[in-house]
Parts: sequence; structure tokens; C-alpha cells
Amino acid sequence: GAGVSQTPSNKVTEKGKYVELRCDPISGHTALYWYRQSLGQGPEFLIYFQGTGAADDSGLPNDRFFAVRPEGSVSTLKIQRTERGDSAVYLCASSLTGGTGNEAFFGQGTRLTVV
Amino acid sequence: SQQGEEDPQALSIQEGENATMNCSYKTSINNLQWYRQNSGRGLVHLILIRSNEREKHSGRLRVTLDTSKKSSSLLITASRAADTASYFCATDGAGGFKTIFGAGTRLFVKA
Repeated sequence: GAGVSQTPSNKVTEKGKYVELRCDPISGHTALYWYRQSLGQGPEFLIYFQGTGAADDSGLPNDRFFAVRPEGSVSTLKIQRTERGDSAVYLCASSLTGGTGNEAFFGQGTRLTVV
Repeated sequence: SQQGEEDPQALSIQEGENATMNCSYKTSINNLQWYRQNSGRGLVHLILIRSNEREKHSGRLRVTLDTSKKSSSLLITASRAADTASYFCATDGAGGFKTIFGAGTRLFVKA
């Protein structure tokens, strides 16, 4: 596609529910990143994929958060037993290759609200 | 945790004036990037400067990097109302794979 696509753009869920957030990276990009951004803050790193494998998941806050990228393209961020503190904008980015010396292209994000 | 810290947190200027934003970071880096974000959604990459570079230009943007002071600055010349946005510096974390963002500078350019 022309850019990184994230769906849904907005998600409202009840506390305790399970949610999945989807990211379609730019075709051919091997590196994929997930970030979380709270109001008034910068994006916070969650996880980095190189191909199908999670090369760095050190930013996942706890075991309720999990992400997959089974075919090295689309990625899904999964949050179990959601809490109100999970409310944030979840951003996905992709780059042609891994490493921070490459320009990352961001999607428009999914705004998650846990009520 | 966030490695970079932008200064000031907020900046309001008149159209036509220059805007300068600063970023300080804590640990050694391979490169530093500046991003722009409108309305709290997608970020747009502006410029990347490598640790062995001291200055870089792109259009109305000028970025400097001082690795001895662990700081960078972003200068936007002849600002326009359309430059109103949040600006973030981002550095590479340990291992060089993840990008760590600061809290950002919110720039408001008055027409």
C-alpha cells in the first residue's frame, strides 16, 4: 500500500475485555515497530519485529500485551484483560530494513479507550 | 523510559519568525532523528543526523548535533502557520534497533 495502515482508527472497549489492533506495513518493509503514546507524551517503544520474529520486545509493559507478525507483513498487537491505564494511541511504524538509521514511516494510530 | 528531552515544552511565535527547539539525551547514540506530529496521530520523519555529523539542512530545517554535550537543536526558519505541530527528537536505544522519543515540543505559529 501507499503507507502504513492501522485498523481500527478508534476502539472503545470495556475494562477486562480483549482487543486486537492491526497494522499493515508498507509492502517490502522488513522492520515493524509498535509504540504507545499517552496524551502529552512522546511515543513509547513497545516491540520491534525483523521479519517474523520479535527482535526486541523489551517495551511490552507486562504479559497482558502480546504481538505477532506470522508472515512477516501484517502485525497484530493483542491486549488481554484491558485496564483503564491501557488507554492511549497505539502507533505502528515500518522501515525498509531494521536499525534506527533508517527512516520509519508511521501509521495514523489506533486510539484505544478503555472504559 | 525516554532518553531524549526537548526544550522548551511549548513555543509560540509569529509567522515569519524562526523557531528553535532543543533536545538533550543521556547515552551515546549512533544517530538522532527529528519527527513532526500533527493532532496527536501519525508522525512524519523530518531529518536524520548521524553521530559523525555536526549539521544538516533540509529546506527550511537546520539540525545541529553536539555529541560532546549530548544535545541537538532543530531550527525552522521563516515559520508558517502550517508548521504548528509537536516536534520530537528520537535517538537509538541500546542495541541500535529501537528508537526512543522525547516528550516533544509543542510549536504554535500564529498567523
